Amino acid sequence: QKEVEQNSGPLSVPEGAIASLNCTYSDRGSQSFFWYRQYSGKSPELIMFIYSNGDKEDGRFTAQLNKASQYVSLLIRDSQPSDSATYLCAVNQGGKLIFGQGTELSVKP
Amino acid sequence: NAGVTQTPKFQVLKTGQSMTLQCAQDMNHNSMYWYRQDPGMGLRLIYYSASEGTTDKGEVPNGYNVSRLNKREFSLRLESAAPSQTSVYFCASAVGWDTGELFFGEGSRLTVL
Repeated sequence: QKEVEQNSGPLSVPEGAIASLNCTYSDRGSQSFFWYRQYSGKSPELIMFIYSNGDKEDGRFTAQLNKASQYVSLLIRDSQPSDSATYLCAVNQGGKLIFGQGTELSVKP
Repeated sequence: NAGVTQTPKFQVLKTGQSMTLQCAQDMNHNSMYWYRQDPGMGLRLIYYSASEGTTDKGEVPNGYNVSRLNKREFSLRLESAAPSQTSVYFCASAVGWDTGELFFGEGSRLTVL
């Protein structure tokens, strides 16, 4: 079992809908959590990070963290075709940033 | 501002050949990383360097060696390439080992025949 697990998808949502991306992790000692976006053929880029339990909002993006359940999620409101990409969850484990396998999101016009 | 620069961008090797992937960053970052990305596997950490002068193994270090040449440069060497090492390799850097905000290079696509 990977240390960081995501549904690989693809996840398809209509334009304007909410996309929900989920991630679980195995190391209870993990303290910081990240979401990266990767467009096809490009390198990953950081879009959100969260350290505390609860929600963190940034524009159309909301990251949610539940340390007790070892669960991190990313919500994208008012999804746009330009949000179509692979979303990678990452967990900092003692200086090593460990990534999940990524969830491919497709937003249909 | 170049950010993180990787060379070469593409390489084809035969089984058993050796090669070095070069990475340089101009952001004065302390930490540097090498990842490989395979379809359906996400990014897997090969080696990282939390600071100049230190290197540590990641998730999949077998078959690779690294050198942190100075603060700017972090190279990845394949001593005897195998087809299983066919992948896209990403170098990344960060201000510090505990920040989690990585800046990635454009990637190097390696094919081992």
